[in-house]
Amino acid sequence: EIVLTQSPGTLSLSPGERATLSCRASQSVSSSYVAWYQHKPGQAPRLLIYSASHRATGIPDRFSGSGSGTDFTLTISRLEPEDFAVYYCQEHSSSFGQGTKLEIK
Amino acid sequence: EEQLVESGGGLVQPGGSLRLSCAVSGFIVSSKYMSWVRQAPGKGLEWVSIIYSLGDTHYAASVKGRFTISRDDSKSMLYLQMSNLRAEDTAVYYCARGDLTMMQDWGQGTLVTVSS
Repeated sequence: EIVLTQSPGTLSLSPGERATLSCRASQSVSSSYVAWYQHKPGQAPRLLIYSASHRATGIPDRFSGSGSGTDFTLTISRLEPEDFAVYYCQEHSSSFGQGTKLEIK
Repeated sequence: EEQLVESGGGLVQPGGSLRLSCAVSGFIVSSKYMSWVRQAPGKGLEWVSIIYSLGDTHYAASVKGRFTISRDDSKSMLYLQMSNLRAEDTAVYYCARGDLTMMQDWGQGTLVTVSS
């Protein structure tokens, strides 16, 4: 079983700043199978990125994904107030990372 | 527009059973990979189970042997039969559709509470 480890656990930033979230896999993963989700309290999770770098339909271009092998990154270029949430990486539509909470500084 | 609506959650005693349902619209349930994901209070997302378009099923180790995923195309429904429930199964349960690269659409979730 592949274990995904996200860092940091919590990220405190201000609107307008750049956010960089990391997801590290315990063994190499095909980038085709890495996805990122945004989750806000009381809401359904929202797909942001699939196949490591492809934005889902309707996702603003300030969100981008990159990486290969065991290291993957979600970048939010300039934070908007609505971006503060918990972010999860996932592989192969199964295992999730433990999440990174992005909070307002 | 594709929609997923979960139901069937509630309070159940430890050792009890419950069946969750996910009503889908806008697509044929067997045309996509359908999954159940849960979030325990104060915890992160946990994958529970998936059923492939060809019918193969897979489960997380924590629920294998206790939970069964199934679907009914004629009723446009996805199910999760849960038995021998434990306190640690308390969570909001989401159904989701997609494939092996993503979970594209999600329902709003249904709360299951396992407590005496």
